[in-house]
Amino acid sequence: DQQVKQNSPSLSVQEGRISILNCDYTNSMFDYFLWYKKYPAEGPTFLISISSIKDKNEDGRFTVFLNKSAKHLSLHIVPSQPGDSAVYFCAASASNQFYFGTGTSLTVIP
Amino acid sequence: DTGVSQDPRHKITKRGQNVTFRCDPISEHNRLYWYRQTLGQGPEFLTYFQNEAQLEKSRLLSDRFSAERPKGSFSTLEIQRTEQGDSAMYLCASSLDGYDNQPQHFGDGTRLSIL
Repeated sequence: DQQVKQNSPSLSVQEGRISILNCDYTNSMFDYFLWYKKYPAEGPTFLISISSIKDKNEDGRFTVFLNKSAKHLSLHIVPSQPGDSAVYFCAASASNQFYFGTGTSLTVIP
Repeated sequence: DTGVSQDPRHKITKRGQNVTFRCDPISEHNRLYWYRQTLGQGPEFLTYFQNEAQLEKSRLLSDRFSAERPKGSFSTLEIQRTEQGDSAMYLCASSLDGYDNQPQHFGDGTRLSIL
């Protein structure tokens, strides 16, 4: 069963515009949510996280929003840069077990 | 480089052989995780350790899979009697144990190919 879902396999955005990546989850016990970025032939790199007691966390160009009632998570990147082109995974955790989505491939067009 | 290190980066073996992968976590991290990732999927949690204690292993894929972390530092993941379906990327991650949630830091993985 896929407890974390990323329904958009790919996204293309113009440089300088906002990128919005979405993630849905089913397990209400999840209490910690993360976004990872992955380049080919490398392991995922941690980007930003949010605890279930918050609804927003911001770090530079990256902002994560959490809507617990909708069981929805989103990552906003603004402004988008060509170096942001990668696969983005959202993940959720309960009791130190982590569940990942299938990823969204972001392409930022110069 | 003080990141998570995995060895080997690639492993090619014949079906039925045993394979062992090694993971060296970030030195001060006491939690260590193993994942499997197949094409088009996200990482799939397998097991995790806190120091030398294996706290969750029910999600190991079968009894052919086992993991150890004998001294609470590096860890090994062994797959016995490999099958074609074991072909995947095996990822290791580590994190700090603390009062707050801590993100995991991943290595670059070991890619296993079963002939």
